[in-house]
Amino acid sequence: AQSVTQLDSHVSVSEGTPVLLRCNYSSSYSPSLFWYVQHPNKGLQLLLKYTSAATLVKGINGFEAEFKKSETSFHLTKPSAHMSDAAEYFCVVSPSHAGKSTFGDGTTLTVKP
Amino acid sequence: DTAVSQTPKYLVTQMGNDKSIKCEQNLGHDTMYWYKQDSKKFLKIMFSYNNKELIINETVPNRFSPKSPDKAHLNLHINSLELGDSAVYFCASSLAGGEQPQHFGDGTRLSIL
Repeated sequence: AQSVTQLDSHVSVSEGTPVLLRCNYSSSYSPSLFWYVQHPNKGLQLLLKYTSAATLVKGINGFEAEFKKSETSFHLTKPSAHMSDAAEYFCVVSPSHAGKSTFGDGTTLTVKP
Repeated sequence: DTAVSQTPKYLVTQMGNDKSIKCEQNLGHDTMYWYKQDSKKFLKIMFSYNNKELIINETVPNRFSPKSPDKAHLNLHINSLELGDSAVYFCASSLAGGEQPQHFGDGTRLSIL
């Protein structure tokens, strides 16, 4: 069994300030974890993934996430927000073998000028 | 060039009609998915096919019928459309295995009048 909780439904930051989007998961096995971004009227795009290699994962557009097994967390960060980062972000947990992915409810990131 | 393409992009129709959405991927993936995204941006998996075989069939009304003529195509037919079917439907594809990221189309926005 697996589940994922995105702790904030909305996050608002000013341009140039750090971004933190929080994600907790539960899984009865070693999971794969993903962050996807969805811009308006677009499909989801992979930002980064964790698959039991390095715990600090670097993704596209300056985003990174750290897998913390003891805290069952996979929070997404970016040092400096850009206006183009405004979008919906989804945290996803998947079994490493074949099986169904579980999507979080999403976090809407707003970036103020 | 588009990796996962869905047609049509917009679909406006009357209650009770039957409609189809088509999806094609040129990534050489063997697994394809249909998702429904509601007005609150929640994503719910509906179906998944691997090598033309149905492997995930969530609790979806049997008015929804997927069909995979080959590995590169996954279509969704909906009978007797209802108001609650209004949503954005996303097609996605991946290589087999939960550790593989999914590639999404840009969605089909279905509006029922």
